[in-house]
Amino acid sequence: DTEVTQTPKHLVMGMTNKKSLKCEQHMGHRAMYWYKQKAKKPPELMFVYSYEKLSINESVPSRFSPECPNSSLLNLHLHALQPEDSALYLCASRDRGTGSTEAFFGQGTRLTVV
Amino acid sequence: GENVEQHPSTLSVQEGDSAVIKCTYSDSASNYFPWYKQELGKGPQLIIDIRSNVGEKKDQRIAVTLNKTAKHFSLHITETQPEDSAVYFCAANFGGTSYGKLTFGQGTILTVHP
Repeated sequence: DTEVTQTPKHLVMGMTNKKSLKCEQHMGHRAMYWYKQKAKKPPELMFVYSYEKLSINESVPSRFSPECPNSSLLNLHLHALQPEDSALYLCASRDRGTGSTEAFFGQGTRLTVV
Repeated sequence: GENVEQHPSTLSVQEGDSAVIKCTYSDSASNYFPWYKQELGKGPQLIIDIRSNVGEKKDQRIAVTLNKTAKHFSLHITETQPEDSAVYFCAANFGGTSYGKLTFGQGTILTVHP
C-alpha cells in the first residue's frame, strides 16, 4: 500500500469557522509533511514532522496548527482563516532515511475560505 | 538559499515527439532529485527520481540526467502521448541527512497534441 489518504477532498469554510484536515498513511513512514499549493504554482512546504515531532515550521501563521497524534496520522487544524488561504493542501510522507527517499503525496484537500 | 529553477514554463509538442524539461538547483549538498507529474485536481505523482551518485536513469519512455558539477538535471520524455499532458515539477532535496525537505521548481505545463 503506497497510498496517502486525505480527507475531506473539498472543504468550504467561513472565516470564523474551525475545521481540520486529515492525512493518513500506512507505509510505516516516519516523516510527514504539509504543503500548500496555489493555482498554477508549485507546492510550498508548510510543516515537517519526524517521528511525530514537529521539526520544521516554514514560518506559517498560527491560524494553521499541525498535529501528529501517531505515526500514521497527520492533522492540520484551521481557525480564523483568510480568503487568501484558499488553496490545495497536500500531505506527503517519506521513509526517514538519508534525504534520498521517495515522497508520496495524497490527492489533496481543496480548501475554499469564504 | 534553497532554490530550484525550472524551464520552460510551457511546452507544446506533437504526439510522438520528445519533450525535455530542465532544472537547476542552488545547494551543492542536495542529493535527491525527483520529478512529479500533476494532473488537474490531483496530487503530484512521482514519475522518476535520481540520486546524486548516478548520472542517468531510464524507465521506459522517461529518462532523467544529472550533472552535479553544473547543478542541473533534466527530464526527457520520448514518444510523447496525449496522456502525458500535465504539469511536471522537478524538485531537489535540501537539508542533507535524514528526511530533508523537497523544494519544487515552478512547473512546466506540457501539452501533447494528437
